[in-house]
Amino acid sequence: GAVVSQHPSWVICKSGTSVKIECRSLDFQATTMFWYRQFPKQSLMLMATSNEGSKATYEQGVEKDKFLINHASLTLSTLTVTSAHPEDSSFYICRPGTSGKPPYEQYFGPGTRLTVT
Amino acid sequence: QKEVEQNSGPLSVPEGAIASLNCTYSDRGSQSFFWYRQYSGKSPELIMFIYSNGDKEDGRFTAQLNKASQYVSLLIRDSQPSDSATYLCAVQPSGNTPLVFGKGTRLSVIA
Repeated sequence: GAVVSQHPSWVICKSGTSVKIECRSLDFQATTMFWYRQFPKQSLMLMATSNEGSKATYEQGVEKDKFLINHASLTLSTLTVTSAHPEDSSFYICRPGTSGKPPYEQYFGPGTRLTVT
Repeated sequence: QKEVEQNSGPLSVPEGAIASLNCTYSDRGSQSFFWYRQYSGKSPELIMFIYSNGDKEDGRFTAQLNKASQYVSLLIRDSQPSDSATYLCAVQPSGNTPLVFGKGTRLSVIA
């Protein structure tokens, strides 16, 4: 199966600081990157979708100026949480996507747990 | 609004029994269907995908798809305590589009 890495796996930061999360697809080219977050005991929530080389599309209620997404290459996408606050504490997970014929094997990254103090 | 419905559970089964997890979806044109397992504090792990009507077996797992009824299920044979987790059903409308997730069913396998 596809290998997806995320870095860091966990991070603690102070309120008001920014945190960058990297997602890499290690054995295929990700033309699309999906970013999710998951609060404790809740389901996955899609935050945004980005295509390589273009601006991300954000889901309703997700602040694009707060969650900056860069998808500059086919193997790397970054999510930057700017001016983080305690309510941003969550589990952030990426999922690279690629076009092609079915079946699409859709794998998630291992996730980054963010705690804002 | 595309929706995926799952019973939240918990579903409790004894060790060695068959666990049956069910999922319905609203978008009749959906093409691909996925089952993920998520342990607490971990990222979802892909168990199976299916895109044709019928059954697909992989080890102890069998996915069943019925597009006419808009229904997909996952059977886990010989359930083990290590299978205790939340199982997420996901539906992909078409191509390289976001998955639509159900809220998950929590499975508990009792030793």
